[in-house]
Amino acid sequence: NAGVTQTPKFRILKIGQSMTLQCTQDMNHNYMYWYRQDPGMGLKLIYYSVGAGITDKGEVPNGYNVSRSTTEDFPLRLELAAPSQTSVYFCASSRSGGGRTGELFFGEGSRLTVL
Amino acid sequence: AQKITQTQPGMFVQEKEAVTLDCTYDTSDPSYGLFWYKQPSSGEMIFLIYQGSYDQQNATEGRYSLNFQKARKSANLVISASQLGDSAMYFCAMRGEATDSWGKLQFGAGTQVVVTP
Repeated sequence: NAGVTQTPKFRILKIGQSMTLQCTQDMNHNYMYWYRQDPGMGLKLIYYSVGAGITDKGEVPNGYNVSRSTTEDFPLRLELAAPSQTSVYFCASSRSGGGRTGELFFGEGSRLTVL
Repeated sequence: AQKITQTQPGMFVQEKEAVTLDCTYDTSDPSYGLFWYKQPSSGEMIFLIYQGSYDQQNATEGRYSLNFQKARKSANLVISASQLGDSAMYFCAMRGEATDSWGKLQFGAGTQVVVTP
């Protein structure tokens, strides 16, 4: 049981480049999330999805796009990378959005550096 | 709007002692859930404990317990009998339980715990 899998684990981008962080989960969870964690800080929600075809903005969505074509996959697209997007990105999923079953299961994180 | 505050950026605790990590929150949601997560130096996020705002009893999970004081809007994590493997960053998080708040789990800034022999 792999849980939540993110790729790549590390990436260096040049300013202005674009890339996609991949996230897949095998737990048949409806909810999926993307967070970013800046050094020494807590996690901030970028986007989330309540099911295939449905996405919504979180706290810090600017500079990012997402899609959810299947239950399993929730890729995060960075367009025109900027140094401010240097961060560790976490993908997560949960069975529901509330209550005890709303516990988030996290991937291992993707460390992105924009130079 | 909701806010999570963890006022202790870091703390040291001796092995086998108990440690309390502070978390206060502010929310307008009448029903909400509180979470604690552990992040070791390896970077993964590990769920520790959940407390619903309408739960009658404080949550416990093994050596972890949540001291929930609703009137004071605090949800402190207590780790009993600390072990060296407890050294990590600990995050408090909160989410409203109304369906329009589902998915919006908000995290505090974290507390770094170092357990010494």
